[in-house]
Amino acid sequence: GEDVEQSLFLSVREGDSSVINCTYTDSSSTYLYWYKQEPGAGLQLLTYIFSNMDMKQDQRLTVLLNKKDKHLSLRIADTQTGDSAIYFCAVRNAGNMLTFGGGTRLMVKP
Amino acid sequence: GAVVSQHPSRVICKSGTSVKIECRSLDFQATTMFWYRQFPKQSLMLMATSNEGSKATYEQGVEKDKFLINHASLTLSTLTVTSAHPEDSSFYICSARGGADSGNTIYFGEGSWLTVV
Repeated sequence: GEDVEQSLFLSVREGDSSVINCTYTDSSSTYLYWYKQEPGAGLQLLTYIFSNMDMKQDQRLTVLLNKKDKHLSLRIADTQTGDSAIYFCAVRNAGNMLTFGGGTRLMVKP
Repeated sequence: GAVVSQHPSRVICKSGTSVKIECRSLDFQATTMFWYRQFPKQSLMLMATSNEGSKATYEQGVEKDKFLINHASLTLSTLTVTSAHPEDSSFYICSARGGADSGNTIYFGEGSWLTVV
């Protein structure tokens, strides 16, 4: 099955950029997603990218996809304390199964 | 945008009782809905996939007689935890897949915290 890996923890200072990385194994992946989970809350879809795209930008968020290396990243520009949360990448394969990474806890220091 | 509503958001039940969690797609029809479980400080674990009008497909290790899933309409799926025990206490999240006009995007509900006492 699909393996999706993320680093566990990232700490940045307010105003800096954050880059959260994700690697996956299934080359038949179709859609790739980034979700945000705040404490005690459900998952909020931040953005998604189709596998034939290299990059997608949405306001402060930039998603980069390197399909050759099976590497997905989420860059948050001008990171704010309100961005502190757990970020999950998720990969959907050709069988429409969604596999999540373990989540990266982003801590933003003032 | 598309919204998936989950109810209740928090529920406490006594050991041995059953509890039902509802998942509704509010402004789109979802032929496929997914149920996940999240243990503390862990990622989401897919429990089952349900397609409207047919039986749910359960992941390995998930007891289908304990976690009853019904997807009776294109906008509603329910998860019933039967004869709940304290180890069933967890965060349960549903998701629903939108149609082609939304890129077949998967939207998540807010989740339901189940505490079995």
